[in-house]
Amino acid sequence: GAVVSQHPSRVICKSGTSVKIECRSLDFQATTMFWYRQFPKQSLMLMATSNEGSKATYEQGVEKDKFLINHASLTLSTLTVTSAHPEDSSFYICSARVGGFGTEAFFGQGTRLTVV
Amino acid sequence: GENVEQHPSTLSVQEGDSAVIKCTYSDSASNYFPWYKQELGKGPQLIIDIRSNVGEKKDQRIAVTLNKTAKHFSLHITETQPEDSAVYFCAASEWDFGNEKLTFGTGTRLTIIP
Repeated sequence: GAVVSQHPSRVICKSGTSVKIECRSLDFQATTMFWYRQFPKQSLMLMATSNEGSKATYEQGVEKDKFLINHASLTLSTLTVTSAHPEDSSFYICSARVGGFGTEAFFGQGTRLTVV
Repeated sequence: GENVEQHPSTLSVQEGDSAVIKCTYSDSASNYFPWYKQELGKGPQLIIDIRSNVGEKKDQRIAVTLNKTAKHFSLHITETQPEDSAVYFCAASEWDFGNEKLTFGTGTRLTIIP
């Protein structure tokens, strides 16, 4: 299957600082990437849909000014958690779709963010 | 929007026996239903998927069935092995305001007992 690489896998930051997470599709071009958040022992909650060259579409309740998403190329999307607080600590996962509607979505390995 | 329910939340199966996980969805427009396996500290891995024009799909020990009329789909794992222990998520794909997105079930923690 297609490979999606996410970096870093773990990050610890201080409250008030910003953290950037990268998501790359290594062997295919992804016009659409997705960012999810997962709390311990819970399901994946979609945060936003990122389309290359346009603004991301955020799900209801997700602060777009806090979670900045940039999809500058067909192989790279970034999520920046700005002014992080302990409640932002979570597992963040990106995914990319190979093709159009109803095609496989492949996931990155996730980023464990801890805000202290 | 789409709502996906998944049962059971935990499942323990003796090695070699079969495991079945069931999901229901609410949006009749959904037409793509993947299953993911997630190991601790890792991202979900696609293990099998099915589209709405197919009733059943099989890949070695894994099979998925879909009943569009009843809006439910199931994952079947036969001859279970210890490495099958993980959390499994079902999902349904819906088209929402020009974007396609996956709605996930709540997950099933499968434990294979040696």
